[in-house]
Amino acid sequence: EEQLVESGGGLVQPGGSLRLSCAASGFSFSSYWMHWVRQAPGKGLVWVSRINTDGSGINYADSVKGRFTISRDNAKNTVYLQMNSLRAEDTGVYYCARSRGPGATCVGYWGQGTSVTVSS
Amino acid sequence: DIQMTQSPSTLSASVGDRVTMTCRAGQSIGYWLAWYQQKPGRAPNLLLYKASILESGVPSRFSGSGSGTEFTLIITSLQPDDFATYYCQQYSTYPWTFGQGTKVEIK
Repeated sequence: EEQLVESGGGLVQPGGSLRLSCAASGFSFSSYWMHWVRQAPGKGLVWVSRINTDGSGINYADSVKGRFTISRDNAKNTVYLQMNSLRAEDTGVYYCARSRGPGATCVGYWGQGTSVTVSS
Repeated sequence: DIQMTQSPSTLSASVGDRVTMTCRAGQSIGYWLAWYQQKPGRAPNLLLYKASILESGVPSRFSGSGSGTEFTLIITSLQPDDFATYYCQQYSTYPWTFGQGTKVEIK
């Protein structure tokens, strides 16, 4: 069974850092682009970042560029999101997701999310 | 960034109704549009991609159409399980962007 399991969320002070992890299983991880999408409490979905299969292609939302870094370890079937200089507006549920198919397709399968709260 | 605008924001309907919602892109995105359904406390679920292709396992009462800047999601004969929030997303140009969502409520 295909699974994406996020971890690493929690409470952090403004200006702090967190590293989210997403462990994948049940599919050929190294063949799929991976994404992070977030959702502030009671708000809509916001695409955050994507990484291609070998990590050579990366994109970010403007709101996180220069503060967040996406990476992956295909040997560990894991994608990461390093979040630095966190702000209150970064609060929300962070979903890990994989592309629908190999290559540049839409997001097809989502994890259940991990919650991040940025507050003093 | 490409702005995606969904309408209406909220839609009240009854079981059995035909429901239509729209998504407009700030510039042409071809057919690079996906629709997702999200229920409270749950992760989103892909319904359609490339504007009109139904994802495997999604009921055929869901359909999508459009290209360029204007897109439509139709649910024929609304079922109790369909009360949820629906999001469109463009994946034509980075950064990918979502619409603000259309919440389908029980009338």
